[in-house]
Parts: sequence; structure tokens; C-alpha cells
Amino acid sequence: AQSVSQHNHHVILSEAASLELGCNYSYGGTVNLFWYVQYPGQHLQLLLKYFSGDPLVKGIKGFEAEFIKSKFSFNLRKPSVQWSDTAEYFCAVILYNQGGKLIFGQGTELSVKP
Amino acid sequence: SQTIHQWPATLVQPVGSPLSLECTVEGTSNPNLYWYRQAAGRGLQLLFYSVGIGQISSEVPQNLSASRPQDRQFILSSKKLLLSDSGFYLCASRGASGTYEQYFGPGTRLTVT
Repeated sequence: AQSVSQHNHHVILSEAASLELGCNYSYGGTVNLFWYVQYPGQHLQLLLKYFSGDPLVKGIKGFEAEFIKSKFSFNLRKPSVQWSDTAEYFCAVILYNQGGKLIFGQGTELSVKP
Repeated sequence: SQTIHQWPATLVQPVGSPLSLECTVEGTSNPNLYWYRQAAGRGLQLLFYSVGIGQISSEVPQNLSASRPQDRQFILSSKKLLLSDSGFYLCASRGASGTYEQYFGPGTRLTVT
């Protein structure tokens, strides 16, 4: 069955530290991948997405993610985090043959200390 | 862009009572609609999705049901709530125009007592 796995459940960093959140998927077909973010008290919103082309995709607020097909991975990175990046981050893969539903990972809670 | 409305924002219901959560969508037509439940440490679990009026696909067996009476309206229901139905319910929409990301509503926090 298709699945998405996020290895880090809770990450605590100081401001200016670099961030990398792991995401691995299990799906044999063509994949399109997403990272969503949920800031405290706010809607879940799209951070970035990969559809095709350059495997290094850039999103909002300085985030980027790299799609590595051979590793079935789509890790999220940011060179220098800010306190305002404190949020929960979700990786997801879309299944086109099933109504375009998203399969989400368990989520990673990021806490950035000022 | 799309806007997803959900109500109520919070709900406290006793075990055995009925449930009706509503989701409406603005800014698109003929969207695919989704109900997710979010539990701490478990991510988002897809409960139902709909590709059109009256068309509902259920992802997991459960005490809940969904209906889509209008193009941009999606309802999550239960005849008798269980304690295990407590959670945070999110409605999402994907436009049929080819953009594949989903837009999420603000969610409903349901507590079954």
C-alpha cells in the first residue's frame, strides 16, 4: 500500500540553525509530492510541490525540497530557521488514480527557540 | 484562489448523539472534495472523497458517513457518535482545472464526551 513516512516527530532547533526534515514515500508509479505546513492556530497551507523537472524545488519562506527518486525521498530543507517557522510540517504524495487524494505522513513538529 | 469554509469551529457532543459537519467551497467549480481527520502524531487520515455530486468514496470503515448534496457542499455525518470519533476534522478541495494541490479549511475540533 502507498505510504509516506516522516522520520522526525519533533525537532527542536535554535534560530539560525539549518533544518532538514526527512520524508520517504512508498509508491511505484509517477509521484507528485507536497510539503504542507500548519502554523499554530492557522489553516494547513501548501509550502512547496514537486511535479516534474528540476528535482530541487523552492517554496515559500526560504524552504526548499529535493526529490531523489532512487531514494524515494523528498526531504525539506531550510538553511537558517526563524522562530516564526515553528509549526507542524506534513509531507504528502498524490494518488491520481484515486480521485487525487493525498497520502500524508505523520507530521513533524518543529519548535524553534529564539 | 479557493476558500474553504467549515462549521462549526468547535463542537462538544455526548456519546450517541448525531453529528453534522458542513464544508462549503468558494472560488472553484466541480472540485474534488475530501474529509480528513487529524490526530496528534498520526498525520492526516483521509476519510472520504468525492469527485462529484452524490459520489462518495469511503477510505476507512467507521462510524461516519459523507454526503455531497451540491457541487460545493460536503457534509460529514454520524447517526450515533462514539468516543473514538473525537478529533480535528479538515475539509479540503482540489480544483478540477488541473491544479493538484489541495486547499484546506480551518477545521472543526470535535470532542465526544
